[in-house]
Amino acid sequence: EDKVVQSPLSLVVHEGDTVTLNCSYEVTNFRSLLWYKQEKKAPTFLFMLTSSGIEKKSGRLSSILDKKELFSILNITATQTGDSAIYLCAFQGGSEKLVFGKGTKLTVNP
Amino acid sequence: DGGITQSPKYLFRKEGQNVTLSCEQNLNHDAMYWYRQDPGQGLRLIYYSQIVNDFQKGDIAEGYSVSREKKESFPLTVTSAQKNPTAFYLCASQDRVGFTEAFFGQGTRLTVV
Repeated sequence: EDKVVQSPLSLVVHEGDTVTLNCSYEVTNFRSLLWYKQEKKAPTFLFMLTSSGIEKKSGRLSSILDKKELFSILNITATQTGDSAIYLCAFQGGSEKLVFGKGTKLTVNP
Repeated sequence: DGGITQSPKYLFRKEGQNVTLSCEQNLNHDAMYWYRQDPGQGLRLIYYSQIVNDFQKGDIAEGYSVSREKKESFPLTVTSAQKNPTAFYLCASQDRVGFTEAFFGQGTRLTVV
């Protein structure tokens, strides 16, 4: 059965810290892994990683995919209070389901 | 503007009543999804559809039903068989499954009293 596990489930840091969020998965016929940020209601898209694109970067956020070890990490450097949110990892495989993990709740204190 | 619209934003119902949540998209996406979100549970997949007139059960389909009669619409009915229907419900759509991002609506918060 397709499964995704995120860790930690909750994280509290101070502004300026660097954080690493983890996502491991088990999926048949992997197609893509996606990261989302959810602040209030609708999750907003951050990155998509596929076999042809295993590393992405946008400003202070970056993500890598390790297809061999079946995990991905999301890094946020120089965190700001506006980074406080739930970060969701999802993948899509041969079943065409879009399966999400439980998320990591990040709190950045001033 | 293209997007995905869920309505209503808030919904209150009495226990034992069926209720239907609306999800409409004008992005011309083939795939649509319904998720339920409870505190600390992430997004759990209820139903998904890759094409008109076809849909599949997700991980927590019991007590829910859907239809996909039109490409742009994917309504979710929460039936009286759903034991704990109070939750936040999110709808999403996707263009090319596995190759593009999914877009989300703003969600419907259902409270059953």
